[in-house]
Amino acid sequence: AQKITQTQPGMFVQEKEAVTLDCTYDTSDPSYGLFWYKQPSSGEMIFLIYQGSYDQQNATEGRYSLNFQKARKSANLVISASQLGDSAMYFCAMREAEGGSYIPTFGRGTSLIVHP
Amino acid sequence: DTEVTQTPKHLVMGMTNKKSLKCEQHMGHRAMYWYKQKAKKPPELMFVYSYEKLSINESVPSRFSPECPNSSLLNLHLHALQPEDSALYLCASSQGEQVITDTQYFGPGTRLTVL
Repeated sequence: AQKITQTQPGMFVQEKEAVTLDCTYDTSDPSYGLFWYKQPSSGEMIFLIYQGSYDQQNATEGRYSLNFQKARKSANLVISASQLGDSAMYFCAMREAEGGSYIPTFGRGTSLIVHP
Repeated sequence: DTEVTQTPKHLVMGMTNKKSLKCEQHMGHRAMYWYKQKAKKPPELMFVYSYEKLSINESVPSRFSPECPNSSLLNLHLHALQPEDSALYLCASSQGEQVITDTQYFGPGTRLTVL
């Protein structure tokens, strides 16, 4: 079974609108961390935001927020006021304590295109 | 400063060539990673160095040989590659603590083409 599922291969949004990128995860470990990365066409993976399984509040970083619903095992990324520069691939990743390796697992990614 | 640098940005090599990819970080991180990424796919882990020791090798063919000369540097030596090895090679680093909050920071990648 996929540990991280991103069901939207591609998303389109109008500039200045908000967009939600979906991420669901599968783990039996009570302790885990969830990460979102942005990858523009240039190739660099840029860390955006982190949410820990024990965090009570949803994480926010500027225009990025993480809608964390623990019971549903979802960690959706919300981008407010989209900009043309937000066009990129977005990857959700999870790091678990179980097994001791702590190596992140990445989802397949969502391609976001922002239209002017 | 969360910068990881990689050289070269682009590399074209023949199947008989030997080349090296370089990665450097000055964040005091003790874990460094090599990933291979094909277009429109997630990155695939190749190697992990923790405190300058190879801790994970994800069954990578021996034509890829990693090296960690010190805690700031990571190399990937390439020899007798195949065309299917053409990909974006990403280096990452993290603090290296065995905790769920340990965040990876990535370099800009090297786009490798094997002819």
